[in-house]
Amino acid sequence: GQNIDQPTEMTATEGAIVQINCTYQTSGFNGLFWYQQHAGEAPTFLSYNVLDGLEEKGRFSSFLSRSKGYSYLLLKELQMKDSASYLCAVRDSTSGTYKYIFGTGTRLKVLA
Amino acid sequence: DAGITQSPRYKITETGRQVTLMCHQTWSHSYMFWYRQDLGHGLRLIYYSAAADITDKGEVPDGYVVSRSKTENFPLTLESATRSQTSVYFCASSEPRTDPKNIQYFGAGTRLSVL
Repeated sequence: GQNIDQPTEMTATEGAIVQINCTYQTSGFNGLFWYQQHAGEAPTFLSYNVLDGLEEKGRFSSFLSRSKGYSYLLLKELQMKDSASYLCAVRDSTSGTYKYIFGTGTRLKVLA
Repeated sequence: DAGITQSPRYKITETGRQVTLMCHQTWSHSYMFWYRQDLGHGLRLIYYSAAADITDKGEVPDGYVVSRSKTENFPLTLESATRSQTSVYFCASSEPRTDPKNIQYFGAGTRLSVL
């Protein structure tokens, strides 16, 4: 089967670092995505990993270990505007086409 | 550049009625997707389409119908709406032929209430 797990909620302080973990099980892994979603808005793309290792983009980094079925999103120098839900998604190509399975999302609250 | 647009943004209907949610993208992306988002479930894939005239079921297709006669449009129809279909519906598109990451771009969503 296909399954993605991530914590439901996290809280951190402005200026701090937070790590949001994601574990997954899928038969046709073809990439892992992180999306940011502010309340009442559409998800927007943050990062993509298809090979093992760390991808860095400004204050955001994402890590992938395919053998462990594990990824994390690291947010540095937290700002109030980072308060949002962070969605982990796996792309599956088992059927020969691409489809995406999303986790339930992690709601991050950044406190002043 | 309009991108991907959904209409209507808000819809209230009654159980048993047919409802169609529209999705239009201007990028000529080959892939289009419909998701529903409910508290505690995250985004769940309803249907997706790899190209015009090609559609496939996702995780929760029951009660929904899609069509894709043109690349730019991917309407989602609830044939006989039920209260359990009250949700926020997101449409997305992507293009693997020109984007190695095949990133999905989402519309603003349609908030549907079935009374």
